[in-house]
Amino acid sequence: QKEVEQDPGPLSVPEGAIVSLNCTYSNSAFQYFMWYRQYSRKGPELLMYTYSSGNKEDGRFTAQVDKSSKYISLFIRDSQPSDSATYLCAALLYKTSYDKVIFGPGTSLSVIP
Amino acid sequence: GAVVSQHPSRVICKSGTSVKIECRSLDFQATTMFWYRQFPKKSLMLMATSNEGSKATYEQGVEKDKFLINHASLTLSTLTVTSAHPEDSSFYICSARLAGGFSHEQYFGPGTRLTVT
Repeated sequence: QKEVEQDPGPLSVPEGAIVSLNCTYSNSAFQYFMWYRQYSRKGPELLMYTYSSGNKEDGRFTAQVDKSSKYISLFIRDSQPSDSATYLCAALLYKTSYDKVIFGPGTSLSVIP
Repeated sequence: GAVVSQHPSRVICKSGTSVKIECRSLDFQATTMFWYRQFPKKSLMLMATSNEGSKATYEQGVEKDKFLINHASLTLSTLTVTSAHPEDSSFYICSARLAGGFSHEQYFGPGTRLTVT
């Protein structure tokens, strides 16, 4: 079982739709949960990170974490064509000697004008 | 905001040769840099963690003699793929962490596409 799992898609939605992206994880020791956006042939860009269960909102983006079910989500409201990218969920494993980010495989999103 | 550059963005080399990829933090000091490898439609796989002035820590299964990492300054880390083979062809991405930050506070470079013929 992979530590962070994500449906690779592709996901195609019309402009203005609400997008829901989801991940599950297996390791209870993960402490931070992140969402990155990656455009084609570019490096990932951090969108949001959360520490505890609950919701965190930033503009059109809402990140949600449910530690009891090991489930993380990203919601995008009023989706725009510029949101078309691959979205990577990730989790941070922190130990006293090192910390390490584990990435999911990413979900490819296309927002159609 | 924090900008990380990589050079070259794309390189083609012949089998058996070595290739060096540079990762620079342009407007901040990075005591730690990370090197990742990404296959199409796959996760970023951490290869190694590079700390300025000390030896890199490699992930299990990554050959340290094949993927040489040097982090000689607070703004530059290099990855050298030695004796490259076609199976080393991949997208290599570096990231840099702000001094004192957690790993989630990493800033990624644009990546280097390596093709070994």
